Amino acid sequence: DAKTTQPNSMESNEEEPVHLPCNHSTISGTDYIHWYRQLPSQGPEYVIHGLTSNVNNRMASLAIAEDRKSSTLILHRATLRDAAVYYCIRSDGSSNTGKLIFGQGTTLQVKP
Amino acid sequence: KAGVTQTPRYLIKTRGQQVTLSCSPISGHRSVSWYQQTPGQGLQFLFEYFSETQRNKGNFPGRFSGRQFSNSRSEMNVSTLELGDSALYLCASRLNPDTEAFFGQGTRLTVV
Repeated sequence: DAKTTQPNSMESNEEEPVHLPCNHSTISGTDYIHWYRQLPSQGPEYVIHGLTSNVNNRMASLAIAEDRKSSTLILHRATLRDAAVYYCIRSDGSSNTGKLIFGQGTTLQVKP
Repeated sequence: KAGVTQTPRYLIKTRGQQVTLSCSPISGHRSVSWYQQTPGQGLQFLFEYFSETQRNKGNFPGRFSGRQFSNSRSEMNVSTLELGDSALYLCASRLNPDTEAFFGQGTRLTVV
């Protein structure tokens, strides 16, 4: 189970955009890319996921590289409540399993 | 709608004892997964159940077991507790294995 690679930590200023990178160079064609975040003392929370095309929802945008070996989670305007650990996860779409393989994630600090 | 409910929230057990943790998924969700979270190892997948069948199992010893009932509620059991089993145990429910996962707040198990 290959994990993804993310920076350990990042900082952002409040109300500025944040780009969180993720490397998944060994991804296969059926693997989805998921992003979850975990706030202190809470369980992980779903953010977004995608396969090939860029995806947008009310929380964030997911930009997937054309070769799918990397992706970027974009928070358009960071707030203090966005301070969390962000996990980039690949899941095997061909096996129809709910198994998520978490890496160490990126700890995002948001400064006022 | 109600979220994922895990009980109890906190638990203290003695080495050698056994423990049973409970997870009630979101109504209608048939997939339940369990994860262990520790400071050293991060989030690790334990097992996944779908329609009362175990579909996937992580790399944990046989002391860790689980089951899912016909109403999709799930329990996990850890026998012969060791100090290293102290962790936050998280349950995640999904409508189907390939949809977004909703996590509970977890059960904090401390083994003394």
